[in-house]
Amino acid sequence: AQSVTQLDSHVSVSEGTPVLLRCNYSSSYSPSLFWYVQHPNKGLQLLLKYTSAATLVKGINGFEAEFKKSETSFHLTKPSAHMSDAAEYFCVVSSKGDTGRRALTFGSGTRLQVQP
Amino acid sequence: GAVVSQHPSWVICKSGTSVKIECRSLDFQATTMFWYRQFPKQSLMLMATSNEGSKATYEQGVEKDKFLINHASLTLSTLTVTSAHPEDSSFYICSASWDRAFANTGELFFGEGSRLTVL
Repeated sequence: AQSVTQLDSHVSVSEGTPVLLRCNYSSSYSPSLFWYVQHPNKGLQLLLKYTSAATLVKGINGFEAEFKKSETSFHLTKPSAHMSDAAEYFCVVSSKGDTGRRALTFGSGTRLQVQP
Repeated sequence: GAVVSQHPSWVICKSGTSVKIECRSLDFQATTMFWYRQFPKQSLMLMATSNEGSKATYEQGVEKDKFLINHASLTLSTLTVTSAHPEDSSFYICSASWDRAFANTGELFFGEGSRLTVL
């Protein structure tokens, strides 16, 4: 079994300040973890992924995330927010279950608002 | 990167009619495609998984006869909403992957989504 919890449904920051979007997961197996961004009426775009290599993962648009197994966390950060970062962000966990088949579980999403 | 195209982006139809949404992988062969439904301000809800050449696997609670999924080739899957009603209005998103990518990491590539409004 696996689950993912995005701890904040809504985050508001000022332009130029750091962004922190929190994600905790649980998985009985070695997980892959992803962060996707969704702009209004658009599909999901991959920001970054962790697939058992380096625990600090750098993605597009200046985002990065750190896989912390001891804390079962995969928080998304960015040093300086831009107005264009305003969107919905989804944390996703993927692992193989007892059957060996891979399943994905989506978080509930965090809406990032960037104030000018 | 892998590109998934979804069409149409927006569709408005009358109650009782059927609507077809296409999902195409443009630069890879999609052995597996997924269809999701997204309600306003909510996460994605998996509707069904389709594998090329075989019947789709529907999630519990999703009506097979209402949401017809066809995955006739390695680059195309279609979702047909039959006899649509206003409660079927939603944002539908497809995603696709190929065997190695999905089996190894679970990475998916998403279409742009289709907004269906049933009057």
